[in-house]
Amino acid sequence: DSGVTQTPKHLITATGQRVTLRCSPRSGDLSVYWYQQSLDQGLQFLIHYYNGEERAKGNILERFSAQQFPDLHSELNLSSLELGDSALYFCASSVDSNSPLHFGNGTRLTVT
Amino acid sequence: AQSVTQLGSHVSVSEGALVLLRCNYSSSVPPYLFWYVQYPNQGLQLLLKYTTGATLVKGINGFEAEFKKSETSFHLTKPSAHMSDAAEYFCALRPIKAAGNKLTFGGGTRVLVKP
Repeated sequence: DSGVTQTPKHLITATGQRVTLRCSPRSGDLSVYWYQQSLDQGLQFLIHYYNGEERAKGNILERFSAQQFPDLHSELNLSSLELGDSALYFCASSVDSNSPLHFGNGTRLTVT
Repeated sequence: AQSVTQLGSHVSVSEGALVLLRCNYSSSVPPYLFWYVQYPNQGLQLLLKYTTGATLVKGINGFEAEFKKSETSFHLTKPSAHMSDAAEYFCALRPIKAAGNKLTFGGGTRVLVKP
């Protein structure tokens, strides 16, 4: 158990809809990262938050947004969903930039 | 810019045989290198990492990897495969001086262990 909790585990929704994925980092970790794992793109970095502030953005679509709350949990919001958004979305946390990432078990999103 | 290439998307080994997973990287600045393992329906778990110092890195579950700068490689090995090693393995890097833990991953290698 990595200590990173992601909910829900599975999500099935229709095109055009909006969903929210939730992540609770390990206790004491201030950094939260979101990654997308898809069959065609592999594992791709989406966004990084540190103690509530956005620190880096990767290949994140404008339809996607994220935030980190004062209690350090994070949410990834995906809107106007398309079939191609179907993927496994991972959250990871770390104490600081030089510490290893600890990954949650992911949320599997299926867009129909 | 950085990139990671894992040679072979699928590898099949017999139980007790050597496991060798190949990883080559491209980076304009010195990198930290990592190997992660992903078991079915689970997140990624860190196997080992190279930061600085000794180029032969030992990790969990009997795995080790050697950083070869001249070959821009970071291949993962295990002398004797076990059935429990069946999983997908990812090589990743991040630039040493980068802020944050933004990792660039390879495409992954799925390992099948035959009895």
